[in-house]
Amino acid sequence: NAGVMQNPRHLVRRRGQEARLRCSPMKGHSHVYWYRQLPEEGLKFMVYLQKENIIDESGMPKERFSAEFPKEGPSILRIQQVVRGDSAAYFCASSTTWDYEYNEQFFGPGTRLTVL
Amino acid sequence: GESVGLHLPTLSVQEGDNSIINCAYSNSASDYFIWYKQESGKGPQFIIDIRSNMDKRQGQRVTVLLNKTVKHLSLQIAATQPGDSAVYFCAEKRGATNKLIFGTGTLLAVQP
Repeated sequence: NAGVMQNPRHLVRRRGQEARLRCSPMKGHSHVYWYRQLPEEGLKFMVYLQKENIIDESGMPKERFSAEFPKEGPSILRIQQVVRGDSAAYFCASSTTWDYEYNEQFFGPGTRLTVL
Repeated sequence: GESVGLHLPTLSVQEGDNSIINCAYSNSASDYFIWYKQESGKGPQFIIDIRSNMDKRQGQRVTVLLNKTVKHLSLQIAATQPGDSAVYFCAEKRGATNKLIFGTGTLLAVQP
């Protein structure tokens, strides 16, 4: 059973370009989470999605960032008009279901975005 | 506000010794606490979790202690090995969402 997959692993963009980060959850997982990690910092929650629904986007910047998890295919984190401050590692995690109890989140290897 | 923080940014131990990594949290409403290990260039890896109604939980070579009175969480690693070298994060889950709030992290360096 493959783990959470993210691609690309490394992405370089120039200021003003668009970045698309992909996440394929573990088989059987229908919940996806995106986190951002700045150098030497902890992970910061960005968004929580189920298939075709955004459940919690309280950590998403108001502009330029969007996320989706379509019925078919991977979850996509999209950053438009990237700026140098967007340079970070972006991690995706997935879990089986959600209820009030904690469901373990399994993390992918991350995408390291560098904005020149 | 939301805050999960660590006392020590770096911990250096000798191989074979026990390690203790500490974490302070600020919100008493958190219902789950989780420790993650992150090796260089990789995603966080689950180590152990503990519910807020528990004081202690043990795994293989690891023990998590929760002191709700002082809002303190610790991870104890027995007989630390070179393979334990990594950054360790505490994280909390709070209420009606499965999102995690992470602390800053502690770098554990195991000296052979």
